[in-house]
Amino acid sequence: EAGVVQSPRYKIIEKKQPVAFWCNPISGHNTLYWYLQNLGQGPELLIRYENEEAVDDSQLPKDRFSAERLKGVDSTLKIQPAELGDSAVYLCASSSLASNEQFFGPGTRLTVL
Amino acid sequence: GQNIDQPTEMTATEGAIVQINCTYQTSGFNGLFWYQQHAGEAPTFLSYNVLDGLEEKGRFSSFLSRSKGYSYLLLKELQMKDSASYLCAVWAGGGADGLTFGKGTHLIIQP
Repeated sequence: EAGVVQSPRYKIIEKKQPVAFWCNPISGHNTLYWYLQNLGQGPELLIRYENEEAVDDSQLPKDRFSAERLKGVDSTLKIQPAELGDSAVYLCASSSLASNEQFFGPGTRLTVL
Repeated sequence: GQNIDQPTEMTATEGAIVQINCTYQTSGFNGLFWYQQHAGEAPTFLSYNVLDGLEEKGRFSSFLSRSKGYSYLLLKELQMKDSASYLCAVWAGGGADGLTFGKGTHLIIQP
């Protein structure tokens, strides 16, 4: 079974530029999560999707961050414009209704210069 | 609010046993997870506890006391490859909510 796929794995941009991350969850997983992980910290939830509906985006900085999951499968997380403090690893995870376990992708390491 | 505490770093010897503690104070509780994360990699699932007591899985065991807001992860017969960060995470809400993670415990295994 293929795991959660994320791309790109690494991204380096200058501040004020836009950036987008892509996630393909495990086939059949209805729930998709985006987390942010700073160095030496645990992941922090940004947004959770149930199929195509964002059911918890309370931690998403909506002035510059946006996300979509149009067909209830793949998801894209966007930052526009990026700031220096956005440098972090962005993790995508998915889970099924039958299990409590969340499966994580390898993450996208963003560096903002 | 949510608060999850675990030690920042621990050191143990190859072949020995180590216990990583986690205490939590959350607005709700539907279970506690332990994840392992090697540097530069994604967290991988180790265990899930929702009822009090010990869950054993090979070299790894996890314990939960809901009344004390306390859990520990026990690693036996330590191997060098066990050097990683160990994340305690609480599932506070209902349904498939996101997890609230602690900052992680960086475990260093010495020969």
